[in-house]
Amino acid sequence: GDSVTQMEGPVTLSEEAFLTINCTYTATGYPSLFWYVQYPGEGLQLLLKATKADDKGSNKGFEATYRKETTSFHLEKGSVQVSDSAVYFCALTLSNDYKLSFGAGTTVTVRA
Amino acid sequence: DGGITQSPKYLFRKEGQNVTLSCEQNLNHDAMYWYRQDPGQGLRLIYYSQIVNDFQKGDIAEGYSVSREKKESFPLTVTSAQKNPTAFYLCASNSGTGVQPQHFGDGTRLSIL
Repeated sequence: GDSVTQMEGPVTLSEEAFLTINCTYTATGYPSLFWYVQYPGEGLQLLLKATKADDKGSNKGFEATYRKETTSFHLEKGSVQVSDSAVYFCALTLSNDYKLSFGAGTTVTVRA
Repeated sequence: DGGITQSPKYLFRKEGQNVTLSCEQNLNHDAMYWYRQDPGQGLRLIYYSQIVNDFQKGDIAEGYSVSREKKESFPLTVTSAQKNPTAFYLCASNSGTGVQPQHFGDGTRLSIL
């Protein structure tokens, strides 16, 4: 079945460091890919998305590129802030399906 | 502002008791979803509904029930048959096609007394 694998956390960084969270997927068709962020005690918010191969999603300094050849959608940010501390989820859905398949989530803590 | 409202934020259940979690949206979305979140396991789909008066089981529907009598509302009942109900429950909605992102509520944390 369709699935998403994220790098395990937790990840702890200093402010202004470079962040990468790896995400790879398995899907029977051509999925749309998403990154969601969850701040403590809250629901999930859409961070960025990409709907076809080679698309780059970007938002709030975060970027991810849909790589069909490596079935990956890695999340990157060049200079993190304390306010980026959160849990990040990679997810996919197929265009003919209502369901989102989530990765396990990666907890990121940024220290001042 | 449009959004999804979940209530209550915290809920406590006694053994053998059914409890109902509320989810209301004013985004005019056709599809609504319930997820369960456990530490280190991501989100797992409990039930989803594509349209009023219709819903489908997700991956972990046992011990749960839902209804969809109104477009705006999708309540989840955690029954006494759910043996491990302690979790964070998230409701979401979208316009109903797969490529549209889901919008999430702030969740309800259910604990057993």
